[in-house]
Amino acid sequence: EAQVTQNPRYLITVTGKKLTVTCSQNMNHEYMSWYRQDPGLGLRQIYYSMNVEVTDKGDVPEGYKVSRKEKRNFPLILESPSPNQTSLYFCASSWAGDPLFNEQFFGPGTRLTVL
Amino acid sequence: AQKITQTQPGMFVQEKEAVTLDCTYDTSDQSYGLFWYKQPSSGEMIFLIYQGSYDEQNATEGRYSLNFQKARKSANLVISASQLGDSAMYFCAMSCPEETSGSRLTFGEGTQLTVNP
Repeated sequence: EAQVTQNPRYLITVTGKKLTVTCSQNMNHEYMSWYRQDPGLGLRQIYYSMNVEVTDKGDVPEGYKVSRKEKRNFPLILESPSPNQTSLYFCASSWAGDPLFNEQFFGPGTRLTVL
Repeated sequence: AQKITQTQPGMFVQEKEAVTLDCTYDTSDQSYGLFWYKQPSSGEMIFLIYQGSYDEQNATEGRYSLNFQKARKSANLVISASQLGDSAMYFCAMSCPEETSGSRLTFGEGTQLTVNP
């Protein structure tokens, strides 16, 4: 089944404790992206990647890191989480062939709480 | 910069009636794409419908249609014959090509739709 998976689905942590949210897709998509969803703000892009070893900042990259060592994986790293990073996080992937019709396939989401 | 605005934080509709969810966008690009996604209470994001900026006809997918008015920069979603299962958050999004990075999606704030029996 074609899908994007994220782990963990739920995470409660404390300020300053490094964490990684994994994302994997099995559709051979070139483009992968991380979003955070906050009430009243919709989804905002954190980082994206056009292909292996190619990553770039989105709209809200502060406090986050990513890497793209393999095409299928795109982990999101919070080196020192803070309470303002409490949010619902989505990983997404898409083909990079058509720059307009890039229907993004979303993972199930990771709900992160930083105390 | 691209911007999507959804001015209706919440909407209510009676079952079996039609409802229109508003979306306006701002971009200086001539080429762009417009998307609608549905997010039920379970949290997943479900793609509903797409409209390209050069498409002359409004997109339709089953009970969903996109009322595209290019001059007004609006891309409203129309849901016909609402069902209880349509109760969800709906997001409008826009893609614009970027020189060095393919394209990206910009999302609106979302509209929470409630279908009443």
